[in-house]
Amino acid sequence: SQQGEEDPQALSIQEGENATMNCSYKTSINNLQWYRQNSGRGLVHLILIRSNEREKHSGRLRVTLDTSKKSSSLLITASRAADTASYFCATDATLGDSSYKLIFGSGTRLLVRP
Amino acid sequence: DGGITQSPKYLFRKEGQNVTLSCEQNLNHDAMYWYRQDPGQGLRLIYYSQIVNDFQKGDIAEGYSVSREKKESFPLTVTSAQKNPTAFYLCASSFDGQGLYEQYFGPGTRLTVT
Repeated sequence: SQQGEEDPQALSIQEGENATMNCSYKTSINNLQWYRQNSGRGLVHLILIRSNEREKHSGRLRVTLDTSKKSSSLLITASRAADTASYFCATDATLGDSSYKLIFGSGTRLLVRP
Repeated sequence: DGGITQSPKYLFRKEGQNVTLSCEQNLNHDAMYWYRQDPGQGLRLIYYSQIVNDFQKGDIAEGYSVSREKKESFPLTVTSAQKNPTAFYLCASSFDGQGLYEQYFGPGTRLTVT
């Protein structure tokens, strides 16, 4: 079942512009993570934000979390052509044996035009 | 991708044959995961292992099998019982299975079954 859903599905911007991607989820979470995937490659972890945090920064990345609205956003400032990739949010869900799994959305495909 | 490797990068098999995908990590992580990704989609969990000699089914385990005889290794066998095995397979690991840490992904294996 899909927990996190990204919006928009695709985004095309000019180099230097900011890119904002949103993620909505359905059930309560302990943390939310954002990952990037270049075409045909594995995922790379970007940021983990815990449920008691509202905002987190890492370089040109800014992530916000609103647990009351069950939503998160990823902002990439001053985008570069190298930021072209798919971006996924992932939320944790408990498994029957008290471990956790990540549930991934279907991603936002970002194209940054030079 | 550093620290977790998958081989081969591309794999071609005839229908009815079993095939084993390799996943190795040198991060000293306890937890390891196998995901399947179909075109334009997010990741779906096949199997996970919280600790050596233990593994559990994920959301789409039918037609797959795994083993975890060593901490570093978590091979996935795609059996002939898997109805639609052509996909991109991603292996990941994390410090533990408690959902508090990010997952590190390998570069993936693209399996094509004809």
